[in-house]
Amino acid sequence: KNEVEQSPQNLTAQEGEFITINCSYSVGISALHWLQQHPGGGIVSLFMLSSGKKKHGRLIATINIQEKHSSLHITASHPRDSAVYICAVSGAGKLIFGTGTRLQVFP
Amino acid sequence: NAGVTQTPKFQVLKTGQSMTLQCAQDMNHEYMSWYRQDPGMGLRLIHYSVGAGITDQGEVPNGYNVSRSTTEDFPLRLLSAAPSQTSVYFCASSPPHGTTIYGYTFGSGTRLTVV
Repeated sequence: KNEVEQSPQNLTAQEGEFITINCSYSVGISALHWLQQHPGGGIVSLFMLSSGKKKHGRLIATINIQEKHSSLHITASHPRDSAVYICAVSGAGKLIFGTGTRLQVFP
Repeated sequence: NAGVTQTPKFQVLKTGQSMTLQCAQDMNHEYMSWYRQDPGMGLRLIHYSVGAGITDQGEVPNGYNVSRSTTEDFPLRLLSAAPSQTSVYFCASSPPHGTTIYGYTFGSGTRLTVV
């Protein structure tokens, strides 16, 4: 069993829809990270969470430490949100990644 | 700030050749790490370092060496390239947890093909 599990693996949405990507982990962590990668592109850090909730523009990330679960929400999705979203957990100087969620938002 | 600089961006090697992937950061980050990204496998940890002079193995260290003689640099050496090492390689850096509100910073990646 992977230490970091993401769902769904693939997600298709119409522009304007509310999107949720889930992440569960089974190891002790210092923090949980949500990352974004566009096709053929680099990796950008969206959020780092230790507890509670963070919001940046249309993106919201939450974490429940007791349940070892995090969610990334995108409100009013847009085609430019199309990318791979990756959940990762950190501890002792290293990251462990989920396999990513490929999101496509159509106009 | 330049952030994390990886060179080269692209490289083609013949089986058995050696090379070094360079990674440098100018943010005085203590943590640096190397990952490879393969289709269907996601990102996997190769080696990591929590400070100058300290390195440790990750999930897939075989065939790779690292050293951390300075805070800024963390090169990854392929000792004898094999086709199985064809991948996209990312370097990342971070301050220790609890000292920053920011997460990891990633280099732009190196696309390596071994023929």
